[in-house]
Amino acid sequence: DAKTTQPTSMDCAEGRAANLPCNHSTISGNEYVYWYRQIHSQGPQYIIHGLKNNETNEMASLIITEDRKSSTLILPHATLRDTAVYYCIVIWDYKLSFGAGTTVTVRA
Amino acid sequence: DAEITQSPRHKITETGRQVTLACHQTWNHNNMFWYRQDLGHGLRLIHYSYGVHDTNKGEVSDGYSVSRSNTEDLPLTLESAASSQTSVYFCASSDSGGLEAFFGQGTRLTVV
Repeated sequence: DAKTTQPTSMDCAEGRAANLPCNHSTISGNEYVYWYRQIHSQGPQYIIHGLKNNETNEMASLIITEDRKSSTLILPHATLRDTAVYYCIVIWDYKLSFGAGTTVTVRA
Repeated sequence: DAEITQSPRHKITETGRQVTLACHQTWNHNNMFWYRQDLGHGLRLIHYSYGVHDTNKGEVSDGYSVSRSNTEDLPLTLESAASSQTSVYFCASSDSGGLEAFFGQGTRLTVV
């Protein structure tokens, strides 16, 4: 599976959009980009995934560059409950491989 | 509602004892996974199964075993618990038709 690179941490103001970058320059054609988050002590929670096209659901939007070497997760209106560790994962099978992720702190 | 449950949520055991952590899902998912999470290491895959009677080793499988006798359950057994196995353990399941995984709430295991 391709390796991903994410910033260690970032802060965001409540009510503003949070843009979380992820670099996956070695991604293969059949690999998907997945985002999960883990709120303190809980099990990871699925957010969104995509292959080539941009995706949006009730939680977030995923923007994948045309060359697929990077992506951005957008939380449109961050709330205090969005404070969590966010993981960007690139996979083609069912086995999720978690890196260190980005610790996002939403501040009032 | 379908769910995935782990039990117990917390356990303290002694070095050398056999311990079994339970994972039960009601989604009828084919795929099930066990991870451990330690400070400084993130989540690491221990064992996984793609169906009944199928089991596979993950990246940190030494000292652990699993068996899959039905679709709903994938118990994780520590044959002889060691202090290095003190960790938080997460179970997950996913459907063969999709890659979204659902995680349990975790079991905090302390080996003393």
